[in-house]
Amino acid sequence: DTEVTQTPKHLVMGMTNKKSLKCEQHMGHRAMYWYKQKAKKPPELMFVYSYEKLSINESVPSRFSPECPNSSLLNLHLHALQPEDSALYLCASSLGWNEKLFFGSGTQLSVL
Amino acid sequence: GENVEQHPSTLSVQEGDSAVIKCTYSDSASNYFPWYKQELGKRPQLIIDIRSNVGEKKDQRIAVTLNKTAKHFSLHITETQPEDSAVYFCAARVVDFGNEKLTFGTGTRLTIIP
Repeated sequence: DTEVTQTPKHLVMGMTNKKSLKCEQHMGHRAMYWYKQKAKKPPELMFVYSYEKLSINESVPSRFSPECPNSSLLNLHLHALQPEDSALYLCASSLGWNEKLFFGSGTQLSVL
Repeated sequence: GENVEQHPSTLSVQEGDSAVIKCTYSDSASNYFPWYKQELGKRPQLIIDIRSNVGEKKDQRIAVTLNKTAKHFSLHITETQPEDSAVYFCAARVVDFGNEKLTFGTGTRLTIIP
């Protein structure tokens, strides 16, 4: 398996909802990432997990809560989001630091 | 922190001609420079990368050059084809307070005219 798999592909949620995005890879990668991408903009780093520990939080609002249950899974829990949080959320992984980054196909999130 | 500038923002090229996209970075400690291609509605895909100890790298029709002194790197696509149409992002990686971070350029929308 040489892919990063994200579910769901599309998500529409209200501002009072709680939802979770899921990411999975079975390449033995030890670093996993969440990026946010707005239309016509580059990906922006949100969180980095290294060996299942949170190593970078790019000052992301607490309504986004990451979780890394094991070395293959990465979740992003969403609560009380705002319409401006609507974006493509990309998961990525790499073998470790100083290694190539591979992206999942993303979850297109719309907050109403 | 690192700042990556990318030019041009849009580029139209006749099929068969070459395309060049340029990026500059600010942090001289940056050591890794990947290029990603993103088609509409799809994930960014790594197409080529170069490390700071190398000046040039080529993979078929795609090449990347790095000038560490001037802190700029470029993507060259030769014999362009319609399937090369996409948004291309450059990126630079730097160690920031013990953490490695990848900073992306603003993207170039490349259109190949048949």
